[in-house]
Amino acid sequence: DTAVSQTPKYLVTQMGNDKSIKCEQNLGHDTMYWYKQDSKKFLKIMFSYNNKELIINETVPNRFSPKSPDKAHLNLHINSLELGDSAVYFCASRYMRDPEQFFGPGTRLTVL
Amino acid sequence: DAKTTQPPSMDCAEGRAANLPCNHSTISGNEYVYWYRQIHSQGPQYIIHGLKNNETNEMASLIITEDRKSSTLILPHATLRDTAVYYCIVREGSGGSNYKLTFGKGTLLTVNP
Repeated sequence: DTAVSQTPKYLVTQMGNDKSIKCEQNLGHDTMYWYKQDSKKFLKIMFSYNNKELIINETVPNRFSPKSPDKAHLNLHINSLELGDSAVYFCASRYMRDPEQFFGPGTRLTVL
Repeated sequence: DAKTTQPPSMDCAEGRAANLPCNHSTISGNEYVYWYRQIHSQGPQYIIHGLKNNETNEMASLIITEDRKSSTLILPHATLRDTAVYYCIVREGSGGSNYKLTFGKGTLLTVNP
């Protein structure tokens, strides 16, 4: 199926650990995003990549490091996890000329 | 990007039209109105967008007032699967590499049997 996929769907880990979330899209899009949805359900953009280049970097702690090995993948690595990092993380993609963003199913991260 | 105001919640009977309002009184001439929805535990889904003309697609219709200070998303025949949080977003342009969406609190639409 054509889609935006994320792994893992659920991630439970201890404070201080380092973890990664992976995102892949097979829609042929050239722009990918990471969003964070906190416990109050606010959905905020974190990063955007266009053709593997970082375009948008919102005020995100530098413990968060996105990596785009190719146009179809945008991974999110988080160092020294904190309780406040608990949230649902959504990956999204689009073709630069089109306004419609396609979102993945989300990764629920719980930091204990 | 202009600020939007939406009611926090609305109810609709199954099979009836759902009309979701959005106020964007500070919208500027080159800003588009976008609607997305988020069904529980899923990623947001694009519905429709427009600049000043009314738009219709297979999911919904978007009615934008002549002064562009408000708009209404219409789901013509709501089903239980349309229960979701609906986000009205105003932003400049419809493309480009630095295009991003700023989500507000949205409207929780509950479709009742």
